[in-house]
Amino acid sequence: DAGITQSPRHKVTETGTPVTLRCHQTENHRYMYWYRQDPGHGLRLIHYSYGVKDTDKGEVSDGYSVSRSKTEDFLLTLESATSSQTSVYFCAISASSDSYEQYFGPGTRLTVT
Amino acid sequence: AQSVAQPEDQVNVAEGNPLTVKCTYSVSGNPYLFWYVQYPNRGLQFLLKYITGDNLVKGSYGFEAEFNKSQTSFHLKKPSALVSDSALYFCAVRSHSGAGSYQLTFGKGTKLSVIP
Repeated sequence: DAGITQSPRHKVTETGTPVTLRCHQTENHRYMYWYRQDPGHGLRLIHYSYGVKDTDKGEVSDGYSVSRSKTEDFLLTLESATSSQTSVYFCAISASSDSYEQYFGPGTRLTVT
Repeated sequence: AQSVAQPEDQVNVAEGNPLTVKCTYSVSGNPYLFWYVQYPNRGLQFLLKYITGDNLVKGSYGFEAEFNKSQTSFHLKKPSALVSDSALYFCAVRSHSGAGSYQLTFGKGTKLSVIP
């Protein structure tokens, strides 16, 4: 899993509570991404970052925010978790926009009850 | 908008037989195409990519994929399947240029089961 860690790996939380997931990389790559994986949907992009403090929305960004204050860390926050946000969340990195492939972390399984 | 279709939710193949996992895509301009594999409770692992050049690309673990521009397809193949190839396979596409060109769009995945 290419120098990428995610924490926590598993979390159960209640509806309405805030949740922050962390992605940490040791590769010094510029681009970082957050995806969610749901059965029948594949992976869908939530947010991505193209540098420190530079972020943008993906396909399914509603209800999520991100922050990147350091090259190595990319945080995903659910301000008020809902049951529809129960999913497996993956972080990915790539060295540049032209490095083509992305490398994925091990994932965080989030359950919102 | 770019999109990927994996028409088969599941593919079953006998060990030792050739396997094919299908993928078709839609994108503006020339595509970058990728295959990833996911084993249970793991992240996605990069298998191979097509950027330009030869239509047949070779990747990890003996897999290869054939790019067909006229059919907008990028099917994953392996000459002889192993039980250890059983996993979930994802095809992905991104465009060469334009806003968000570094964003990957994934198919829904195909579960490959290799039967001993």
